[in-house]
Amino acid sequence: SQQGEEDPQALSIQEGENATMNCSYKTSINNLQWYRQNSGRGLVHLILIRSNEREKHSGRLRVTLDTSKKSSSLLITASRAADTASYFCATGPYSGGGADGLTFGKGTHLIIQP
Amino acid sequence: DAGVIQSPRHEVTEMGQEVTLRCKPISGHDYLFWYRQTMMRGLELLIYFNNNVPIDDSGMPEDRFSAKMPNASFSTLKIQPSEPRDSAVYFCASSYGTGTDTQYFGPGTRLTVL
Repeated sequence: SQQGEEDPQALSIQEGENATMNCSYKTSINNLQWYRQNSGRGLVHLILIRSNEREKHSGRLRVTLDTSKKSSSLLITASRAADTASYFCATGPYSGGGADGLTFGKGTHLIIQP
Repeated sequence: DAGVIQSPRHEVTEMGQEVTLRCKPISGHDYLFWYRQTMMRGLELLIYFNNNVPIDDSGMPEDRFSAKMPNASFSTLKIQPSEPRDSAVYFCASSYGTGTDTQYFGPGTRLTVL
């Protein structure tokens, strides 16, 4: 079963608004990461938060992690058309067996309306 | 650095043919991952290497899939014989230090098996 589950699956907002995406996971983690994927491209790393951290900022991005609830949120403030993409949470280590690797959720597709 | 390089970017082949996907990781990275992305199953980890050694291939769907890493700067993923259900985007990613830290993805190979 999927380790990371993003919510919502799709989100459409107006440019300038804030976008919030959530991720839930099932097993213990070392860290949780967020990646962005533009249509037809590879994934790009956005931010990593370790299991002993609760909040992290990077530019317009804010990530929170609640290990007691096994959940994380990604907030993009003052959204821009260029933020239109799919956003994935990834947890390490990989839940499939090996000690390394990441498990990815199915993503939130974010559309920023101009 | 040029980033992770994958070739070809697109591959169209007929069922039963052999397909070889290639990846050059970022220089100095000691982990290399192969992922497959489909709409139905999302992003799946197929296999990963550490210092050129395959560590976990539990995600490889079946014996038709094989991967090698003959040196630190090159890896291949081979499908023989290919089937229509292998159609997907295949990503290669590399990382440095541990297998659960930031991963750098290539642009992917879009494989279509007719």
